[in-house]
Amino acid sequence: AQSVTQLDSQVPVFEEAPVELRCNYSSSVSVYLFWYVQYPNQGLQLLLKYLSGSTLVKGINGFEAEFNKSQTSFHLRKPSVHISDTAEYFCAVTFKSGGSYIPTFGRGTSLIVHP
Amino acid sequence: DTGVSQDPRHKITKRGQNVTFRCDPISEHNRLYWYRQTLGQGPEFLTYFQNEAQLEKSRLLSDRFSAERPKGSFSTLEIQRTEQGDSAMYLCASSLFISAAITYEQYFGPGTRLTVT
Repeated sequence: AQSVTQLDSQVPVFEEAPVELRCNYSSSVSVYLFWYVQYPNQGLQLLLKYLSGSTLVKGINGFEAEFNKSQTSFHLRKPSVHISDTAEYFCAVTFKSGGSYIPTFGRGTSLIVHP
Repeated sequence: DTGVSQDPRHKITKRGQNVTFRCDPISEHNRLYWYRQTLGQGPEFLTYFQNEAQLEKSRLLSDRFSAERPKGSFSTLEIQRTEQGDSAMYLCASSLFISAAITYEQYFGPGTRLTVT
């Protein structure tokens, strides 16, 4: 069974500092990987996705993530955060095989950006 | 494209009552998903539809839960005889599934927050 581990429940950081949110997954088959962001009182919004090809994926709002197959990781990074990046971030994984493509989500990491 | 909408946004009910939630997906999307999200957790899959057919249900979906998508457009999720453990955010998402061009991206609604007292 596939599972997703987000190693940090909360990440506090100062504005304009770099940040990395960690995500590891376990799966015996190839996977597709996603990062979603959830702002307060809103639904989840896709930040970026890895389906195939280049292991460095760029997303919206200046975020990027790197797929590392040997370490089964998909960490999210941003070189300089803004106050507006304060939100909950979810890593998700889904199987490449099968027809349902239902993602399994991690528990989320709360990014708190301080002025 | 007005996005995925859910109604109501909040629902407070007493234990033992029935509740029904509605989800309106993005109009051209043929797949619709229901998730449950509790505090400090990521969304957990409940069930999904392709058009009007319910294709998969999670073991989380007990007999007290039922979902429908009668015309392949909006969907309803009903919980009968609610329990305090049902308190959660219920999220709906939709996607466009075309086998020749799968994007895998799901678009989420704002959720319905259920509180069972």
